[in-house]
Order: sequence, then structure tokens, then C-alpha cells
Amino acid sequence: DADVTQTPRNRITKTGKRIMLECSQTKGHDRMYWYRQDPGLGLRLIYYSFDVKDINKGEISDGYSVSRQAQAKFSLSLESAIPNQTALYFCATSGTRGANEQFFGPGTRLTVL
Amino acid sequence: GQQVMQIPQYQHVQEGEDFTTYCNSSTTLSNIQWYKQRPGGHPVFLIQLVKSGEVKKQKRLTFQFGEAKKNSSLHITATQTTDVGTYFCAGPLGTSYGKLTFGQGTILTVHP
Repeated sequence: DADVTQTPRNRITKTGKRIMLECSQTKGHDRMYWYRQDPGLGLRLIYYSFDVKDINKGEISDGYSVSRQAQAKFSLSLESAIPNQTALYFCATSGTRGANEQFFGPGTRLTVL
Repeated sequence: GQQVMQIPQYQHVQEGEDFTTYCNSSTTLSNIQWYKQRPGGHPVFLIQLVKSGEVKKQKRLTFQFGEAKKNSSLHITATQTTDVGTYFCAGPLGTSYGKLTFGQGTILTVHP
């Protein structure tokens, strides 16, 4: 089984709809992150959480909110989706030892019409 | 704000040719990480460099961290079709260890 999973993998929605993207991990990591990827812009950090009670805004948090339901679960919500939120969304986790490398989920491709 | 710039954005090579991507930061970095994303896949960690002037090799891949710790490079010798994908560098965002700011990525295409 994959260590970091994301649901759904693909979603098409309409402008103004509320959308939730979910992320679960079995790596036992405290740190979790949400990124969006757009062509030519790399990966941009939306929100991050270093433990269950710690939530922080990243570079581009406007229009998004998150919930850390448990150590293993971190959800990203778009309260009222707009077309420029069409992107590939990745969840990632990291530990606190060694290189602190990030482990990414498979991604959710979101299209807002 | 802190920026990590990566060039080129695209690189097309013939199989067997070498490839290099460059990463430059506007500020000194405590470390730099490199990731590879295969087409349709997710980023996968390759390596972290920490020391000034550090050079690390992984088979045909050579990673360098500049003396001033503001730039880095990834060089692939004799590319293969399995090397296709997007290569990202990433440095710590701000002073908090654990957050990363990613470069825009270099998309490598290898023609057989």
C-alpha cells in the first residue's frame, strides 16, 4: 500500500462549489503539507502542519483552508472554487530526522469549470 | 521574498548526451534538496546537499552545492530514456526547518 494517499485522484467541479481534498499517510510523520503545481511555476506551498495542533499558511493560502483531523490525516478545502484553482494538488509528509525529505502523494487533478 | 530560480525550463537531448540543470537562490541556503517527477507521477526525493562546495554522485547523476550556498546544479552524464521527467531543486523556506520553496523545475526530454 502507498505510504501517502490522496482522494479523489481526479475531480471536475463548477465555479462556486465547495471541494475537499483528502490526504492520509501511514509513515507516522508529524509534518504534512499541501502544494499546488501549475505548469512553469513548480510546486507552491498552500498550507502546512507540523503537528495536529499546528496549522500554518504557506505562500498561496488565499481561497483555501485546511483541517488536520489526526496525525495521519490532512484535508484541503476550497470553500468556493474558482477556475484559476484548476491545478494538480499534492499532499506531502516529512519526518524530523535525517534529510527531512518530503514524501509526496500521487496527486489530485482538479478542474474548476 | 525568498526565491529559488531554476534554469532551463525545458531541455531536449538525444539519448547519450549530457544534461545539466541549475538552481539559484536569492538568499544563502542551509541545505538544498533535489526531486524528480516522472511524467504523470509525483515528486520523489533524490538527494540533499548541506555543505558548502559539496559534490555527491548517484550513478550517472552528479549534484553540486555552491561555495556560497546560493546555487546548485544537477548533471546527468549520458542520458537515458529513463531519465525523462521534471527535476526540481528546493531550499528551506524562511527560517523554519521543514518548509521548502521549490524551483520552477526543468523538464527533460530524451530522444532515443
